[in-house]
Amino acid sequence: GENVEQHPSTLSVQEGDSAVIKCTYSDSASNYFPWYKQELGKRPQLIIDIRSNVGEKKDQRIAVTLNKTAKHFSLHITETQPEDSAVYFCAASMDSSYKLIFGSGTRLLVRP
Amino acid sequence: KAGVTQTPRYLIKTRGQQVTLSCSPISGHRSVSWYQQTPGQGLQFLFEYFSETQRNKGNFPGRFSGRQFSNSRSEMNVSTLELGDSALYLCASSFAGGNEKLFFGSGTQLSVL
Repeated sequence: GENVEQHPSTLSVQEGDSAVIKCTYSDSASNYFPWYKQELGKRPQLIIDIRSNVGEKKDQRIAVTLNKTAKHFSLHITETQPEDSAVYFCAASMDSSYKLIFGSGTRLLVRP
Repeated sequence: KAGVTQTPRYLIKTRGQQVTLSCSPISGHRSVSWYQQTPGQGLQFLFEYFSETQRNKGNFPGRFSGRQFSNSRSEMNVSTLELGDSALYLCASSFAGGNEKLFFGSGTQLSVL
């Protein structure tokens, strides 16, 4: 069935370094790939998304890349700051499914 | 504009009981979806509603059900509660569903004893 695998499960970086989180999806019909950030005790919030007709998208310090052939996509955070510490979830969906399949999450810790 | 509102915030129930959770979407949003969040399983899709119609359902037993009202508010019900139903239940709304940004509520933390 549909599945999204996410790695690593935990990631610790020094402030100012870059962080990369990778996801692989199983259903080749997937065409929408959002990333959600969930701070401790808070609700998940969308930080960036990408559609299958685009290979890369940037928003300030955050970028997402998509490789449709390999069925994987990645989140890149540059110049990390302590406030980037949170759990990050990747997800995938397809047209008319009306559901997101989430990865298992990556706990990012940015050390000051 | 008010965000997605979920009530109650916390619930404690015992095995065998049933529970109803409520979600009020952002004004103008007609799609409401529900997710179960657990430490081990992450976020699992339960179901999605649009204009009072369920358009998709996740792989959960029939004990989990939901509905949507004409004002787009939604409820989910879990009958015959089991210990494994303990989780954070998140509701999310969007304009029309599909591949668009979801706005999540703060969730209802359900504990089954």
